[in-house]
Amino acid sequence: DGGITQSPKYLFRKEGQNVTLSCEQNLNHDAMYWYRQDPGQGLRLIYYSQIVNDFQKGDIAEGYSVSREKKESFPLTVTSAQKNPTAFYLCASSLSAHYNEQFFGPGTRLTVL
Amino acid sequence: AQKVTQAQTEISVVEKEDVTLDCVYETRDTTYYLFWYKQPPSGELVFLIRRNSFDEQNEISGRYSWNFQKSTSSFNFTITASQVVDSAVYFCALSEAGGGSNYKLTFGKGTLLTVNP
Repeated sequence: DGGITQSPKYLFRKEGQNVTLSCEQNLNHDAMYWYRQDPGQGLRLIYYSQIVNDFQKGDIAEGYSVSREKKESFPLTVTSAQKNPTAFYLCASSLSAHYNEQFFGPGTRLTVL
Repeated sequence: AQKVTQAQTEISVVEKEDVTLDCVYETRDTTYYLFWYKQPPSGELVFLIRRNSFDEQNEISGRYSWNFQKSTSSFNFTITASQVVDSAVYFCALSEAGGGSNYKLTFGKGTLLTVNP
């Protein structure tokens, strides 16, 4: 089945630790995205990548980092510099950045204790 | 700057009622795209529709219909004969196509729809 997988579904970390969220897609999509969702809020764009080895900051990139070494994978690292990391993180992909119908993964709920 | 407003935070209806979810958008571009996504309790966003700014025809898909009116900058979503399985958060989103920013979806804050049996 084609789709987007995110792991793990739930993640707990201690304050001050870096944590990496996984996102993999087998849709052969060029573009990938990371969003953050807080309770009662819409989605906010953290980072996006239009092509392998390239990525751009979104609206709330501070305290996060990404890499795009393979077309299928776009991991997100939440660093200790992120002031309020507890949130629901959603990964998405689209055929290209110019074809903007985005498909979403199931999300990872990160709780920092 | 682009902006999406979903004024209804929560709506509660009884099964079989019709319900309309409102979406008002702001953009300076003449070419743009509008979207609706459904987020059930499991959390994954499900794509429902994409509409470009040049196509103002209303669309119907089963019990779902969408009313796009450029004159009022609105893209409203109606569910006819609602069912319990329609309970979810619904997001409206906007993407501008000009200036190289067509990657970006700007989301509204969502409307929580609860359909009671």
